[in-house]
Amino acid sequence: GAGVSQSPRYKVAKRGQDVALRCDPISGHVSLFWYQQALGQGPEFLTYFQNEAQLDKSGLPSDRFFAERPEGSVSTLKIQRTQQEDSAVYLCASTSLNEQFFGPGTRLTVL
Amino acid sequence: GQQLNQSPQSMFIQEGEDVSMNCTSSSIFNTWLWYKQDPGEGPVLLIALYKAGELTSNGRLTAQFGTTRKDSFLNISASIPSDVGIYFCAGQLAGGGADGLTFGKGTHLIIQP
Repeated sequence: GAGVSQSPRYKVAKRGQDVALRCDPISGHVSLFWYQQALGQGPEFLTYFQNEAQLDKSGLPSDRFFAERPEGSVSTLKIQRTQQEDSAVYLCASTSLNEQFFGPGTRLTVL
Repeated sequence: GQQLNQSPQSMFIQEGEDVSMNCTSSSIFNTWLWYKQDPGEGPVLLIALYKAGELTSNGRLTAQFGTTRKDSFLNISASIPSDVGIYFCAGQLAGGGADGLTFGKGTHLIIQP
């Protein structure tokens, strides 16, 4: 399909482990966003890329969170030394003109 | 982080009834959006509003961008079983995908046949 894809769909980590979440945006989309969605809440903005440039990372909750998009296409969200409060669905979205198209998300559970 | 005030939190209605939900903010937004999210999926855009006072329809869905730019509502007419899901409002300061969305907490719609 031509939509946004994310992998893995589910990730279980032990507290303290590092995790890496991947996003494949729609081909040709310049802008890419990461959001965190806690259970029963709406998505919350984490960070934004335009091509390979990270233009806004104001939503990243701590310095354990790091995102990259080195070639302006695929993006990776890395969480170091995971904590239980990091458990959430991590959504990626890419943008064409005004609409953000969302991927299915990665559900991260930290035990 | 900031989230918009969305109400109601949940709605239990009969099939065929009309539905209304709304969203308010203490901040002004230049774009208001309404999304639907099904279990295990990402949000899907239903309606986008770009001008204060704008009223836009998409099939059985109608949404309005409040004149103060601090609120919006979504109506669904003649609900059907596939309308079940979680509906989110979202505000955006800039257009063109230039900044992140601020979401409400969602309205969970449950339809009883």
